[in-house]
Amino acid sequence: GAVVSQHPSWVICKSGTSVKIECRSLDFQATTMFWYRQFPKQSLMLMATSNEGSKATYEQGVEKDKFLINHASLTLSTLTVTSAHPEDSSFYICSASRGQLNQPQHFGDGTRLSIL
Amino acid sequence: GESVGLHLPTLSVQEGDNSIINCAYSNSASDYFIWYKQESGKGPQFIIDIRSNMDKRQGQRVTVLLNKTVKHLSLQIAATQPGDSAVYFCAENIRGGADGLTFGKGTHLIIQP
Repeated sequence: GAVVSQHPSWVICKSGTSVKIECRSLDFQATTMFWYRQFPKQSLMLMATSNEGSKATYEQGVEKDKFLINHASLTLSTLTVTSAHPEDSSFYICSASRGQLNQPQHFGDGTRLSIL
Repeated sequence: GESVGLHLPTLSVQEGDNSIINCAYSNSASDYFIWYKQESGKGPQFIIDIRSNMDKRQGQRVTVLLNKTVKHLSLQIAATQPGDSAVYFCAENIRGGADGLTFGKGTHLIIQP
């Protein structure tokens, strides 16, 4: 089956720090990747859509200058949380899509971000 | 065991029984639906999907039913096993999965020995 890898799986850092999370599609070329956020005991919420070679599309209420997304290749998308604050602490999960209709998105195992 | 309504967070069933997890979706334009299983500290794992031109689809021990009239989706798990313990989410999409998914609130399935 398709495999999506995220790194790091867990990070703790001080308030004001910027944190980069990597999402890799290991066995297929992902024209589109998605970034979701999940707070404890809640559902996943879409943050942004990352398209290879173009600018990301952000959902309403998600600050593009705070959550920088780069999708430089068909197998790698990165999410950088800039100047992170405690309220940014969450579980960040990426998914990858082949871009074909009626095909499920495959998810990474998430990154637990804790801002002190 | 059966869950009803979108807001029931927990479903407890006996090992070996069948489980039914329900989901009400919101967008009548949605044309692709997926069930995911999420274990603690991990990302969602694909279980089964269904397109809007179908009303039933079966997999290994799982069946998804779609009722577009009332915008309702269900996941049936046969002969529930301890390894089925997880949170189950339905997800919908209006472009066959090509766009980001809208997730339901989730149901925590607990298996009683």
